[in-house]
Amino acid sequence: QQQVRQSPQSLTVWEGETAILNCSYEDSTFNYFPWYQQFPGEGPALLISIRSVSDKKEDGRFTIFFNKREKKLSLHITDSQPGDSATYFCAASPELSGKLTFGEGTQVTVIS
Amino acid sequence: EAAVTQSPRNKVAVTGGKVTLSCNQTNNHNNMYWYRQDTGHGLRLIHYSYGAGSTEKGDIPDGYKASRPSQENFSLILELATPSQTSVYFCASGDAGGAAETLYFGSGTRLTVL
Repeated sequence: QQQVRQSPQSLTVWEGETAILNCSYEDSTFNYFPWYQQFPGEGPALLISIRSVSDKKEDGRFTIFFNKREKKLSLHITDSQPGDSATYFCAASPELSGKLTFGEGTQVTVIS
Repeated sequence: EAAVTQSPRNKVAVTGGKVTLSCNQTNNHNNMYWYRQDTGHGLRLIHYSYGAGSTEKGDIPDGYKASRPSQENFSLILELATPSQTSVYFCASGDAGGAAETLYFGSGTRLTVL
């Protein structure tokens, strides 16, 4: 069963707009949630992460909003740029380890 | 900068054949991981290792073996390859120290089993 779910599967936004990527999880023991960014032909790379003790994490144009009660989180990309076009994976783990459970990914396309 | 190198980049194998995917990291990380990536499934953990000589089963280990002969090298072995193992395979190393572990991924191996 897919314990980490992402939506939408794909998303197209205009340059300058805010892209919102959604993620939900089932396992209550998950407490670490990284987002990985992947460009075609490359491996994923850590973009930003949050722990369940926080409800918001910001890094430049990227912000994670976390709702522990609803087991949901979202990644907001403000002022989207064509270079942000990539696939974004939400992941989760019950501890600060690499045994991550990944979502299916959201493919983001930014058009100018 | 973290460096994880996978070989080969592309591999075509026949059903029933043996396939070995190799991974080398120069980060001196203790932890290494093998994931496969398929459309609609994201990345799924196959095997992982906490150090030389150790291997552990991940979420989908059936049909795969792993070997960690040294700190730097971690191999994934398909003894009898099947078409269902056609996928893109990613190796990663992790720095477990500090507040959180970041995974550093290689560029992947695209495996096609005919």
